[in-house]
Amino acid sequence: EIVLTQSPATLSVSPGERATLSCRASQSISGNLAWYQQKPGQAPRLLIFGTSTRATGIPARFSGTRSGTEFTLTINGLQSEDFALYYCQQYHEWPPMHTFGQGTKLEMK
Amino acid sequence: QMQLQESGPALVKPSETLSLTCTVSGGSISTTNYYWGWIRQSPGKGLEWIGSIYYSGTTYYTPSLKSRVTISVDTSKNEFSLNLRSLTAADTAVYYCGRHWANVVQGTTFSTTWFDPWGQGRLVTVSS
Repeated sequence: EIVLTQSPATLSVSPGERATLSCRASQSISGNLAWYQQKPGQAPRLLIFGTSTRATGIPARFSGTRSGTEFTLTINGLQSEDFALYYCQQYHEWPPMHTFGQGTKLEMK
Repeated sequence: QMQLQESGPALVKPSETLSLTCTVSGGSISTTNYYWGWIRQSPGKGLEWIGSIYYSGTTYYTPSLKSRVTISVDTSKNEFSLNLRSLTAADTAVYYCGRHWANVVQGTTFSTTWFDPWGQGRLVTVSS
């Protein structure tokens, strides 16, 4: 089973600044990684798939990159609505064994 | 716009079976290249994929739950269901249903992907 490790667990950033969230895979998953945003009481919402492709309606301030097995979600110019939980998910394994990271809480500084 | 809605009991007793249904609106569950899955979220284990089903009935389950889970589909009602047997308190969670794209060629699935959209979730508590 591929394990995804997200860091940090909690990130404190001021509105208008940049947030950088990390997700490390325990083995190669190519670019088969998605990012989700979850707000209290809501279901996760797809932000990015295929490492760097934004889902429909997701603002350009959200971007995703990859270096080997290290994936990064960057949020530029943080808005108040961006403070939430963020999860990564890999979909590389076959037969499917979708796994999620444990999440990063992005909080307002 | 496609929407998914979970339904089922909020409270189930230990050792019993949980039955949840996900109703799909705004699109057909029989659309090719889409799987329909169940994911749960508990404080102790985060997000956990349970399993997924294709409209043809092909299923995949996470190994740790495979012995207790059955996912089925009813294309006439545009819905799919989750049965989870022999419940314990560790099964207390919010249960989500979701759609994910799949690479299916001539009936053979080669990959499944991210989840979008998701249902709003159903909190299920296992307690006597």
